[in-house]
Amino acid sequence: QQQVRQSPQSLTVWEGETAILNCSYEDSTFNYFPWYQQFPGEGPALLISIRSVSDKKEDGRFTIFFNKREKKLSLHITDSQPGDSATYFCAASNNNNAPRFGAGTKLSVKP
Amino acid sequence: NTKITQSPRYLILGRANKSLECEQHLGHNAMYWYKQSAEKPPELMFLYNLKQLIRNETVPSRFIPECPDSSKLLLHISAVDPEDSAVYFCASSPGTGWNERLFFGHGTKLSVL
Repeated sequence: QQQVRQSPQSLTVWEGETAILNCSYEDSTFNYFPWYQQFPGEGPALLISIRSVSDKKEDGRFTIFFNKREKKLSLHITDSQPGDSATYFCAASNNNNAPRFGAGTKLSVKP
Repeated sequence: NTKITQSPRYLILGRANKSLECEQHLGHNAMYWYKQSAEKPPELMFLYNLKQLIRNETVPSRFIPECPDSSKLLLHISAVDPEDSAVYFCASSPGTGWNERLFFGHGTKLSVL
């Protein structure tokens, strides 16, 4: 049962463009949504997160847009840089369960 | 991230027994083992909170976790199977409110011959 879905599976953008990564979930009790960034050979690291009481969270070039009614969220990376090339995991949790990770989006930013 | 250390970094096994080790220097109460197979997301295997195993996902019995103290975590593996080839990440969080940030180590890459 895949509770957290991500799309696209892979994404290529040019340097300076905005990358949009999508995530959706099924369990309406999920209330915490972290995004993790993972570089090859390393463990995932928290990039940015949002709680279900908010519809937007911004941190520099990274912004999460959250639509609770549609159970969807997206991560926008503005002014994409080659150093942003990584795999991005959307995760979701509630008060009773450990975070469930989506399958990830592999982002490539071309200079 | 040197605040969560894992050893060894690489492990190549035949049908042998081996233990993975993890230590966190963050003062966190919860520690986790995650398995990440190639091109897959991390999957939770075990969770310890204050040395107590409070969540045990469905994993083969050949994987046995151990938490000798709140900062250390071990994963004992016996008679490994080729499907066990993956990267095993140790992670920690301040508590187990679930809605908390996870801090991951660099992982141990297990290759089963």
